[in-house]
Amino acid sequence: MLTQSPGTLALSPGERATISCRASQVVNSNYFAWFQKKPGQPPRLLIYAASRRATGIPDRFTGSASGTDFNLTITRLEPEDFAVYYCHQYRDSPTFGQGTKVEIK
Amino acid sequence: QVQLVQSGAEVKKPGSSVRVSCEASGGAFNNYAFTWVRQAPGQGLEWMGRIIPVLGRTAYGERFQGRVSISADSSTGTVYMQLSSLRSDDTAVYFCATHSIGSFYGPTDIWGQGTMVTVSS
Repeated sequence: MLTQSPGTLALSPGERATISCRASQVVNSNYFAWFQKKPGQPPRLLIYAASRRATGIPDRFTGSASGTDFNLTITRLEPEDFAVYYCHQYRDSPTFGQGTKVEIK
Repeated sequence: QVQLVQSGAEVKKPGSSVRVSCEASGGAFNNYAFTWVRQAPGQGLEWMGRIIPVLGRTAYGERFQGRVSISADSSTGTVYMQLSSLRSDDTAVYFCATHSIGSFYGPTDIWGQGTMVTVSS
């Protein structure tokens, strides 16, 4: 199971966002990802292998890992970054976190 | 670069089944694994299952065991997801996805457009 926090993050453009995801058991970080989801669109892969940015993803998105704890940081929020973010482990018994909504304050 | 195009919206009665297709083009079909994910209205993403066509291997999410079946037709480059014994809470957008990175267990960075399935009496 993957547990994200917080459930909602209210921030202003230009601010820093940090989203956490804790795994209930050991997860191979080589198979850990972060997605962005907007209404009416398919999920967009941001980060894979815990810290590698997917093609075309701006460098304001950063992923990190420490044991069973994973973080997604958006250094300076742009207007298009307000969305729901999901963590995901995709190797054995794949699962998603419950999502974190980043909304405009 | 492979592209995925899914079949159109469906409206189904409770207790019936639905089959959603996902056609892959622009790549060698047998080089890919295909995953199905759904999102119910106002809810999060749910991993349903995965197929590796060249190996004939499937895996299903625990919540969907016994109700979902994923298959592939390499002659047409199409993957299918069938969900049976439909309930109202199966109303959702269903996505197929695949990977351009890594092996069969690579991250899903290529997605279909989604198919809305509505279950209603």
